[in-house]
Amino acid sequence: DTEVTQTPKHLVMGMTNKKSLKCEQHMGHRAMYWYKQKAKKPPELMFVYSYEKLSINESVPSRFSPECPNSSLLNLHLHALQPEDSALYLCASSQEPRGRGYPYEQYFGPGTRLTVT
Amino acid sequence: ILNVEQSPQSLHVQEGDSTNFTCSFPSSNFYALHWYRWETAKSPEALFVMTLNGDEKKKGRISATLNTKEGYSYLYIKGSQPEDSATYLCAFIGEVETSGSRLTFGEGTQLTVNP
Repeated sequence: DTEVTQTPKHLVMGMTNKKSLKCEQHMGHRAMYWYKQKAKKPPELMFVYSYEKLSINESVPSRFSPECPNSSLLNLHLHALQPEDSALYLCASSQEPRGRGYPYEQYFGPGTRLTVT
Repeated sequence: ILNVEQSPQSLHVQEGDSTNFTCSFPSSNFYALHWYRWETAKSPEALFVMTLNGDEKKKGRISATLNTKEGYSYLYIKGSQPEDSATYLCAFIGEVETSGSRLTFGEGTQLTVNP
């Protein structure tokens, strides 16, 4: 199974709402990623988890809160978002390269299309 | 800020044409380059992981080359088919974190193959 699943596919939320995005993989990957993609722009890295620990936070505002409850699941908790946060949120996973290890390809989910009103 | 550039931005070819596009990246501090294909309404899919200067990789009708000294990679598609229509993204890894891989994507080349 080489699939990364993401739910929901679409989400519309108000600026005062709290919601969560979910991502799941069963490939035994120990690195998981959140990306944000705005229209006609490339994906931008937000967070990296390695062995369920946050290893990279690309200076993302605290209204985005990631969580990795186990090796298969990755959540992104959303609170008090702004309209400019509307985007496609992509989750990915890979084998963990650890140090100067092989830079494994990432497997992406289909994304959650988020609209903040 | 890393500068990863792809050209052209978009390309329209006829079925059967061969085509190629370019990814340029900083030649210093190179660690790896990935190529991904992203079809509309689907997930980005990895094509190649390239790590060594002079690397040439092939997958069916698609191949890629890498020149780390001058900072570019070419992606070639031989005999394009309509199902090759997608956005092709390169992603640069310039340093190795202690965990995970930080990809910096180019803006992509959008390929349309007309039947």
